[in-house]
Parts: sequence; structure tokens; C-alpha cells
Amino acid sequence: GAVVSQHPSWVICKSGTSVKIECRSLDFQATTMFWYRQFPKQSLMLMATSNEGSKATYEQGVEKDKFLINHASLTLSTLTVTSAHPEDSSFYICSATNVPGLAGGPTDTQYFGPGTRLTVL
Amino acid sequence: GQNIDQPTEMTATEGAIVQINCTYQTSGFNGLFWYQQHAGEAPTFLSYNVLDGLEEKGRFSSFLSRSKGYSYLLLKELQMKDSASYLCAVKDSNYQLIWGAGTKLIIKP
Repeated sequence: GAVVSQHPSWVICKSGTSVKIECRSLDFQATTMFWYRQFPKQSLMLMATSNEGSKATYEQGVEKDKFLINHASLTLSTLTVTSAHPEDSSFYICSATNVPGLAGGPTDTQYFGPGTRLTVL
Repeated sequence: GQNIDQPTEMTATEGAIVQINCTYQTSGFNGLFWYQQHAGEAPTFLSYNVLDGLEEKGRFSSFLSRSKGYSYLLLKELQMKDSASYLCAVKDSNYQLIWGAGTKLIIKP
């Protein structure tokens, strides 16, 4: 149980274009989803917290107009990187928290998707 | 401020035992997680401690002392596939997860 998928697993795009990344919880309902960014050899950096049906909460320094997050259902959240630039190239990872009993882990355990490697040329 | 400290890198031998320490200073405490992350992959959940003591899960065990702000992850009978980064994360009083920078564990034959 507690499987989270992400699509695409990797994407290469031109500077100035927008890229959408999907995050799905496959076998449980995720009340909250998180979006992280990770640069090589660095730790996870939380970008935003997303609750189903409400606006995402962005961490300090993360531009909400550049990184659009939509959490339309209990199993799907999307991150759109708008007008991407080479400095946005990174490993983007989503995670979802479970409701106790549905996925078997302790409350608020974050289960991660496999990540999306974004390269902006 | 909130702080999670872990060693940057550790080396151990296949078949041996290794202990990865984590100390934390956070505003409140609502649980501590250990995750494993292989290079180029997303983290996977290993363990969760909210009460003092040792939690054992096969070859992996995790210990917590809340009074000392200290946890460790113990890996026994090391295998080459255990080469990875191990992330310590603490849930603070606002239930926000504060992440350590991770410990890169290198296993040698």
C-alpha cells in the first residue's frame, strides 16, 4: 500500500515554456500533498504544502505565480513550472500523507513519488 | 531556529553494523522519521519514532531519546544495496516536517 506515482519521470524543455508534473496517490486518499525540490547532493527543500480543495501554502522564497499547484482531488496534485528557466532545472519530488488505517503507516507519514527530473535548456 | 544535525558521510564494511546519529533542536516534537534515498531516486520511508526507545524492523532499528533530542538509525548485516543517503526528519509543534541534510552511507566490500 501507500504508492505514489509521478509523471513524467523526466522532461527536457526549452527556456520560457511551461511544464506540468502530476502526482497521484494510487491506493489511498491523500489529505495533504507536498512538493519538494532537490538539487544534486543537497537535501530536500520543501516548496509548498497542498490540501485538497484549498490553495497551496508556499514556503518562503518560492514564487507562487511561477510554481502553480492544483490539488483538485484526494488523489491528484499537479505542479506547473511556468516560464521555465535553466535555473529551474532540478529533481522535483511530491509526497502524500495517508489517513491512518488506509495505508498502514503512522499518521502523517509522507510517501514519496519517484520524482521528476526537469532539465531546462 | 530549527536544526537537524547528521554526519555528512559514513563508510562501513559489508556485513558489519553501522549507527547513524541524528540530533535535533526544534520548536516542539511530534515524531521523528528516517528515510532512505538512493542516488537519483525519491526517499522511501524506513521508520517512525514518537516515544522513547528502540523500534526494530528487520535489519534496521531506530532509537529515540526525546530528553536528549537524539535519535539513531542502526543498520545490521550491511549489504551493498544499503549504500544510500539516510534522512532524518522531525515533526515540530506545527506538524511541519523539518529535514536533515542526510547522511551518505558508503558500503565497501
